[in-house]
Amino acid sequence: DAKTTQPTSMDCAEGRAANLPCNHSTISGNEYVYWYRQIHSQGPQYIIHGLKNNETNEMASLIITEDRKSSTLILPHATLRDTAVYYCIVRSLSGNTPLVFGKGTRLSVIA
Amino acid sequence: NAGVTQTPKFRILKIGQSMTLQCAQDMNHNYMYWYRQDPGMGLKLIYYSVGAGITDKGEVPNGYNVSRSTTEDFPLRLELAAPSQTSVYFCASSRQGARLNEQFFGPGTRLTVL
Repeated sequence: DAKTTQPTSMDCAEGRAANLPCNHSTISGNEYVYWYRQIHSQGPQYIIHGLKNNETNEMASLIITEDRKSSTLILPHATLRDTAVYYCIVRSLSGNTPLVFGKGTRLSVIA
Repeated sequence: NAGVTQTPKFRILKIGQSMTLQCAQDMNHNYMYWYRQDPGMGLKLIYYSVGAGITDKGEVPNGYNVSRSTTEDFPLRLELAAPSQTSVYFCASSRQGARLNEQFFGPGTRLTVL
């Protein structure tokens, strides 16, 4: 699986959009970009994933660059409850080896 | 659906004691996983299973054992507890195919070994 690089931490004002970047310059053609988050003391929660098109669901939007070497997770109107560690993971659908969680980005939403 | 459930929520063990962390899921998922998370760190995979009767080692399997006799249950066994096993343990499950990498996590078991 391709390696990902994320900033260690970010702040965002409540009500503003939170834009979390992820670099994955060695991503291969069959690998998807997944985002999870982990709110303090809870198990991680799946957010969204995509291959090359931008994706949106009720939680977030995922923007993947045309060369697929980086992506941005967007929380359109961040709330205090969005304070969490966000993990970007690159993964193919084939094979049995499970997800590998790095250290992620600690997002603090500030009132 | 209850999703993924884990018991106990908290446990304190003495060095050398044994225990089993329970994990169950009611989503009929083939894949199940055990992770540990040390303070301030990301998750590390201990063991995983792709179906009943099949298990495989993850990144940090030493000191642990697993079994998968049913689709629903995936217990994690610590035989001789050591302080290095103090951690939060998360169980997860996923279905195979296109949604393989959408894992559902349990609430975790916080284990302290003294």
